[in-house]
Amino acid sequence: RKEVEQDPGPFNVPEGATVAFNCTYSNSASQSFFWYRQDCRKEPKLLMSVYSSGNEDGRFTAQLNRASQYISLLIRDSKLSDSATYLCVVNMAKFYFGSGTKLNVKP
Amino acid sequence: ETGVTQSPTHLIKTRGQQVTLRCSSQSGHNTVSWYQQALGQGPQFIFQYYREEENGRGNFPPRFSGLQFPNYSSELNVNALELDDSALYLCASSSQGLYTDTQYFGPGTRLTVL
Repeated sequence: RKEVEQDPGPFNVPEGATVAFNCTYSNSASQSFFWYRQDCRKEPKLLMSVYSSGNEDGRFTAQLNRASQYISLLIRDSKLSDSATYLCVVNMAKFYFGSGTKLNVKP
Repeated sequence: ETGVTQSPTHLIKTRGQQVTLRCSSQSGHNTVSWYQQALGQGPQFIFQYYREEENGRGNFPPRFSGLQFPNYSSELNVNALELDDSALYLCASSSQGLYTDTQYFGPGTRLTVL
């Protein structure tokens, strides 16, 4: 079993839709969690950090469920510019990345 | 911009050669981590340097080695290059500690091994 697992997608959604991604992790002692977005052939860029139960930044909400060992990312009112790959990252002494979930927002 | 820089941006090498990649960390950060990202995969942790010492290593062979300098910049060295080493190599800088461990990535070095 991989340390961090994500649905690879792709998720194809229309502009304005709400979309949610889940990410599961293997180490219950993990303390810090992150969502990054990565555009094609570019470096990952931080979307948000999650240290407690969740975090919200505008249209983006991350929620952490420690009991079930998953973290979710909700994107409301999707924009064309949200099209990217979303990487879930968990700090388990080392940083483990999921393989990413691809989002395509269509006009 | 994160303030993390990497050089070179692209590199082409042949099998068996050696390569050195460089990274300058963001001001105020004392930790540098290196990752390898193959096409279609998430970044894989190679190792981390904190205050010039290796501070954790992923599942990579010893021909992957590194250094961190007193100004916290870092190098990744790969010896005896193999075709499978072709990937995007990412450097990330951060500080140690909970609430400060967020990693900021440089633009990466794209290595092609022929």
